Amino acid sequence: GDSVTQMEGPVTLSEEACLTINCTYTATGYPSLFWYVQYPGEGLQLLLKATKADDKGSNKGFEATYRKETTSFHLEKGSVQVSDSAVYFCALGWEKLTFGTGTRLTIIP
Amino acid sequence: DVKVTQSSRYLVKRTGEKVFLECVQDMDHENMFWYRQDPGLGLRLIYFSYDVKMKEKGDIPEGYSVSREKKERFSLILESASTNQTSMYLCASRGPGQGIDTQYFGPGTRLTVL
Repeated sequence: GDSVTQMEGPVTLSEEACLTINCTYTATGYPSLFWYVQYPGEGLQLLLKATKADDKGSNKGFEATYRKETTSFHLEKGSVQVSDSAVYFCALGWEKLTFGTGTRLTIIP
Repeated sequence: DVKVTQSSRYLVKRTGEKVFLECVQDMDHENMFWYRQDPGLGLRLIYFSYDVKMKEKGDIPEGYSVSREKKERFSLILESASTNQTSMYLCASRGPGQGIDTQYFGPGTRLTVL
């Protein structure tokens, strides 16, 4: 079945550092790919998505590119802020979504 | 903006109790989902529904049932709560024409079963 493997956390970075959270997937066909973010005490929010190979999703300074050849969808940001502290989930799917286990990110001032 | 609301943010129940978790969405979405979220396991799909009175089992349906009598409301039922059902429960909805598979989530209900 479909599966998502994402970088183990927790990840702690200093403000303005570069961020990469790795995500690889296994699926039949070419599903849509997503990054969701969960801020403390809140539900999940869609951060960005890509629906086909080579698409780049972007939002709030975050980017991820749908790489078919490496079955990856790594999340990147050039300069993180304290407000980016949250749990990040990679997911794939068509009608139903399959989620990774989540990566907790903490940004220290 | 899409709004998905859940009836309680925190809930404490005793083993053996019947528990109802309610979810309401205000965007006339056809598809609704219930997940549970546990540390190290991510989100796992319990049940989903494509339309009123329709339901499909997800990956971990054991010990749960659901009800969808109205389009906007999707209820998760724990017939006899057990301590291993202590978890965060997240409801989501998805409608047609919103791009592929964009699910909108509620704030979650943290259920503790004693």
